[in-house]
Amino acid sequence: GEDVEQSLFLSVREGDSSVINCTYTDSSSTYLYWYKQEPGAGLQLLTYIFSNMDMKQDQRLTVLLNKKDKHLSLRIADTQTGDSAIYFCAESPGSGNTPLVFGKGTRLSVIA
Amino acid sequence: DAGVIQSPRHEVTEMGQEVTLRCKPISGHNSLFWYRQTMMRGLELLIYFNNNVPIDDSGMPEDRFSAKMPNASFSTLKIQPSEPRDSAVYFCASSLNGDTEAFFGQGTRLTVV
Repeated sequence: GEDVEQSLFLSVREGDSSVINCTYTDSSSTYLYWYKQEPGAGLQLLTYIFSNMDMKQDQRLTVLLNKKDKHLSLRIADTQTGDSAIYFCAESPGSGNTPLVFGKGTRLSVIA
Repeated sequence: DAGVIQSPRHEVTEMGQEVTLRCKPISGHNSLFWYRQTMMRGLELLIYFNNNVPIDDSGMPEDRFSAKMPNASFSTLKIQPSEPRDSAVYFCASSLNGDTEAFFGQGTRLTVV
């Protein structure tokens, strides 16, 4: 079945760049998503990328997709303390009308 | 739209009691999902509905768990009897179709003592 893997923890200094990595297994995924979960809150969609794209940039966020290696990354430039959260990678399975498959989440800690 | 609405936000109950969690999806969304989040297991999909029909409940941990969706605007997740290991944050999410972006509620933090 589909599987999404992420490292569990990442710690960076304020002002540095953060890179959160994710690997997935379903080569027919149509969309790949990054969600952010702040403490005590639900998951919120941060950004997404269509599977025929290599890169997507949105202000401080850059998403890179290597479809050959089934590798997705999220880069946050100039990381701020407000970026401290859990970041979930998710894939939309290519089989249609089946739920997103989520990774376990990467807890990003930003040190001031 | 107010987004996905869950109630209650917090629930503390004694072991053996029945617990009912409620969810109102975003109007017009056809799919609804129940998730459980714990430190040990992360985010687990318990069950999902398409057009009010349960499609896959293989994630429901035991027969003590049941979920219903009597209409397009309401769903419940019931645990009877509850046990301390059921303590977790339970999320409801909805999407336009099953495989598109999911919108999450704020979650219900359940503590069973």
